[in-house]
Amino acid sequence: QVQLVQSGAEVKKPGASVKVSCKASGYTFTGYYMHWVRQAPGQGLEWMGWINPNSGGTNYAQKFQGWVTMTRDTSISTAYMELSRLRSDDTAVYYCAREVYDSSGSYNDYWGQGTLVTVSS
Amino acid sequence: QSVLTQPPSASGTPGQRVTISCSGSSSNIGSNTVNWYQQLPGTAPKLLIYSNNQRPSGVPDRFSGSKSGTSASLAISGLQSEDEADYYCAAWDDSLNGREVFGGGTKLTVL
Repeated sequence: QVQLVQSGAEVKKPGASVKVSCKASGYTFTGYYMHWVRQAPGQGLEWMGWINPNSGGTNYAQKFQGWVTMTRDTSISTAYMELSRLRSDDTAVYYCAREVYDSSGSYNDYWGQGTLVTVSS
Repeated sequence: QSVLTQPPSASGTPGQRVTISCSGSSSNIGSNTVNWYQQLPGTAPKLLIYSNNQRPSGVPDRFSGSKSGTSASLAISGLQSEDEADYYCAAWDDSLNGREVFGGGTKLTVL
């Protein structure tokens, strides 16, 4: 069965960086793009970008360009999202989500459990 | 400000039919398929409807989706207490080198 298991909660100071991991199992890791989506407390979902685990190619939302880095390690089927220069409004739950792209369209069929990142001095 | 527009709240009594709307533009809903996600309190989003009107395995047929032009809607019939959740529409947007966009979410309350 497909599973995406994310790393645990983090508390960071403003200006620091955070790296969240997402370990995939139950499918061929390199066969599906991985997206990252965040959700601030009490707010909606915000797309951050995706990584192609096969090539390492990325597409970041314009808001996060120069600020987020998505990488992967195919040997352990794990995707990473690193956010730098953290601010208090980066406090959010960060999700990874597998994308399916087929003739009927594109959608995220499996999601990680989420990683709470708290930015506080 | 979300790119896709949803009503912030909706409600219904058990057994009723409820619909949630999602409005976009030509660069997103108008040219790409729409997906719906259900988020129960304290949990990750779950795919509910994909490609406008397709249900993943395990999703009851009480849930249905439709799309027309630059708008989409989610219908829930035979409302149940366990349907109380936040619902988000999503679509790919062709602007700004491509991006996924979401609605602001609709909190469904079962009275």
